Amino acid sequence: NAGVTQTPKFQVLKTGQSMTLQCAQDMNHNSMYWYRQDPGMGLRLIYYSASEGTTDKGEVPNGYNVSRLNKREFSLRLESAAPSQTSVYFCASRQGSSSEAFFGQGTRLTVV
Amino acid sequence: AQRVTQPEKLLSVFKGAPVELKCNYSYSGSPELFWYVQYSRQRLQLLLRHISRESIKGFTADLNKGETSFHLKKPFAQEEDSAMYYCALGNNQGGKLIFGQGTELSVKP
Repeated sequence: NAGVTQTPKFQVLKTGQSMTLQCAQDMNHNSMYWYRQDPGMGLRLIYYSASEGTTDKGEVPNGYNVSRLNKREFSLRLESAAPSQTSVYFCASRQGSSSEAFFGQGTRLTVV
Repeated sequence: AQRVTQPEKLLSVFKGAPVELKCNYSYSGSPELFWYVQYSRQRLQLLLRHISRESIKGFTADLNKGETSFHLKKPFAQEEDSAMYYCALGNNQGGKLIFGQGTELSVKP
């Protein structure tokens, strides 16, 4: 059972470069999420998709865009990376309200 | 607006001591509350949720709507409980799920 799979696991970018973080889930979940984890800040919601075809801003959406490509896949794009976006990024999915969220293994991104 | 606050960044206790990790929330609707745990080098995983009213690994949490709290408790801490703990708040209108700042629990022998 793959669960939630994120690629890549590690990435180093130069300031101004762009990249897309990929996330896929095989549990037929409706909702998908992108978070960033920073020391002392906990997990902060970037964007989420409550269902296929919808996306909404979270707590820290600036500098990011997302695409819910289909029910399985939810990608996060950094158009012009900044050092402040150095973080560990987590994708998660769950069936819906009240249900358990399942997390990917994380992507460690460094912007130099 | 939804908000979750975990006031303690680090909680250090000795093995066998009681543990209470605090979580306070702000939400005008009907809240859904969860505790997640992240052990070293492992993925974040669900520990328990308020609707289940269950005890997992000896941990319990009670939703107190009057105090808007969902504190996590365990009567006797074990070394294997050392981990990062996150309180999470969801809603039943659109699936938004936010997390607190996290509390690192360190249980010393």
